Amino acid sequence: GAGVSQSPRYKVAKRGQDVALRCDPISGHVSLFWYQQALGQGPEFLTYFQNEAQLDKSGLPSDRFFAERPEGSVSTLKIQRTQQEDSAVYLCASSSTSGGNTQYFGPGTRLTVL
Amino acid sequence: KNEVEQSPQNLTAQEGEFITINCSYSVGISALHWLQQHPGGGIVSLFMLSSGKKKHGRLIATINIQEKHSSLHITASHPRDSAVYICAVPDNYGQNFVFGPGTRLSVLP
Repeated sequence: GAGVSQSPRYKVAKRGQDVALRCDPISGHVSLFWYQQALGQGPEFLTYFQNEAQLDKSGLPSDRFFAERPEGSVSTLKIQRTQQEDSAVYLCASSSTSGGNTQYFGPGTRLTVL
Repeated sequence: KNEVEQSPQNLTAQEGEFITINCSYSVGISALHWLQQHPGGGIVSLFMLSSGKKKHGRLIATINIQEKHSSLHITASHPRDSAVYICAVPDNYGQNFVFGPGTRLSVLP
């Protein structure tokens, strides 16, 4: 069956541009997570949705980062006025439930800000 | 916040060698996950374990809940095992993960 998909796979942005990253979770999965993974490091939590509700956004590094999941399925992570330090792989994961159960990861979007 | 450490950070092995990757964490948990990340970013879940040992093919994962330590072993390593291996534990609220920094494994033919 289809797994988690993300688009685009690669994005190059000029500093100051806005970008939007898309995540299509596994159909029926209620939980959706966004992570940021800098080069050579493990993923770092950004934000978490249960259905359309954003239950935790404590990991978003600044108010330039915004995530939404308006219909409880597809999610978009938006970064405004991108900075070089935003360069990273942005991973999306979904889970059928919350509570530390298995998360299924997408392939990630590699963002490079020049 | 649960702090997760892994060792070694980088590991190079010859094909056929037995490999061990270690993970330790600071706060007691109900279960720990081992993940495999290939170049290009895709992450695959290998194991979720809460006690004892699990085996899947050439991969073995063990956990000692009292010592807050887990190990991932690869027997008869192969170049296709080359990847970053990450351990992850639930955060304080149990709804999300805290990830270790990863161990980069290269298996040479």
